[in-house]
Amino acid sequence: QQQVKQSPQSLIVQKGGISIINCAYENTAFDYFPWYQQFPGKGPALLIAIRPDVSEKKEGRFTISFNKSAKQFSLHIMDSQPGDSATYFCAATYSGTALIFGKGTTLSVSS
Amino acid sequence: DGGITQSPKYLFRKEGQNVTLSCEQNLNHDAMYWYRQDPGQGLRLIYYSQIVNDFQKGDIAEGYSVSREKKESFPLTVTSAQKNPTAFYLCASRRTFATNEKLFFGSGTQLSVL
Repeated sequence: QQQVKQSPQSLIVQKGGISIINCAYENTAFDYFPWYQQFPGKGPALLIAIRPDVSEKKEGRFTISFNKSAKQFSLHIMDSQPGDSATYFCAATYSGTALIFGKGTTLSVSS
Repeated sequence: DGGITQSPKYLFRKEGQNVTLSCEQNLNHDAMYWYRQDPGQGLRLIYYSQIVNDFQKGDIAEGYSVSREKKESFPLTVTSAQKNPTAFYLCASRRTFATNEKLFFGSGTQLSVL
């Protein structure tokens, strides 16, 4: 119930392509869904977040799509660049509880 | 600059030894967290504290202990009871424990067993 399942584990995309990472959850109490980006040897940093009352949120090249009925949400990175190569974590939380993270996706953007 | 400082960056533990990881924040945040990161396992919650002098166990608290005597500081002790301590440890904080508050992370401590 508390898990957030993330896929794929790793992803290779050509420069300029679209990167798509998916997450699924079971607990319908979750009401905040952030994505974090982590570079090697560093702590994760918030990339973008969404609440379940909207179906999509866009910030620059990064878009979250949210499907409440399917209990799924995804991160789309448009025009992927080598600098986007990092590990991405989806997460979920509710009512002030600690964030629960997915297992992460390692993205490599080839030039 | 405001932020979260973790030290040391690298730490080695001998068998049977307790070690303490430091986490200091100058963001005036109420809530602080410790996560453990293993390759392919994501971030798993060890302990968290929503206010000074109070803390709660996370999903993998066995073999770890914490204290929160000051708002700025949330040290994590890895005890000898933790049989597999090798991991990347991340400290984080947020202004309050409200749901949509941004979580800030430190740069982590890599703990290895000698």
